[in-house]
Amino acid sequence: GENVEQHPSTLSVQEGDSAVIKCTYSDSASNYFPWYKQELGKRPQLIIDIRSNVGEKKDQRIAVTLNKTAKHFSLHITETQPEDSAVYFCAANGNQFYFGTGTSLTVIP
Amino acid sequence: EAQVTQNPRYLITVTGKKLTVTCSQNMNHEYMSWYRQDPGLGLRQIYYSMNVEVTDKGDVPEGYKVSRKEKRNFPLILESPSPNQTSLYFCASSGGGSSYEQYFGPGTRLTVT
Repeated sequence: GENVEQHPSTLSVQEGDSAVIKCTYSDSASNYFPWYKQELGKRPQLIIDIRSNVGEKKDQRIAVTLNKTAKHFSLHITETQPEDSAVYFCAANGNQFYFGTGTSLTVIP
Repeated sequence: EAQVTQNPRYLITVTGKKLTVTCSQNMNHEYMSWYRQDPGLGLRQIYYSMNVEVTDKGDVPEGYKVSRKEKRNFPLILESPSPNQTSLYFCASSGGGSSYEQYFGPGTRLTVT
């Protein structure tokens, strides 16, 4: 089956700096790559997603890039704010969803 | 309001006592799924269903059962719970077909002693 690896597991940045989280996947049949944000005690919420026929997608301060050849995709958050502090999960989907193990992001004011 | 609901939200039980966690969505979604979340392991898919009467095993199906008799409901059944099933469980749904975005329920924290 699919194997999704996510790095780093923890990330601390100063407010206003950028944060980058990277994921790799193994199954070339995966065609949908969402990113979720999970605040403490809450459910995961979709923040951005990308499909395999697109190389990059941007939504305000958040962007995702996908390299199908190398089988990796990345989340970029610019101008980070304290409210961006949370755990972020990547996932890859064919019929099933496979999640990375999460990145705990701390934005230091 | 479009939503996924789960019940109960918290449950403490003993080894071997059968339990059911309910999941319901009001968005007419075809795809529904159960996950467990454990520290350091992320979310792992237990079972998923692509439509009524169609269910498939996910990554960690052992010890769990599901059914999909109606489109809106997807209960998770633990016939004989064991302590290693202590976890946080999420139900999720999505439209199916080319509509992949998943909506998660609020979670059920299960403790098996």
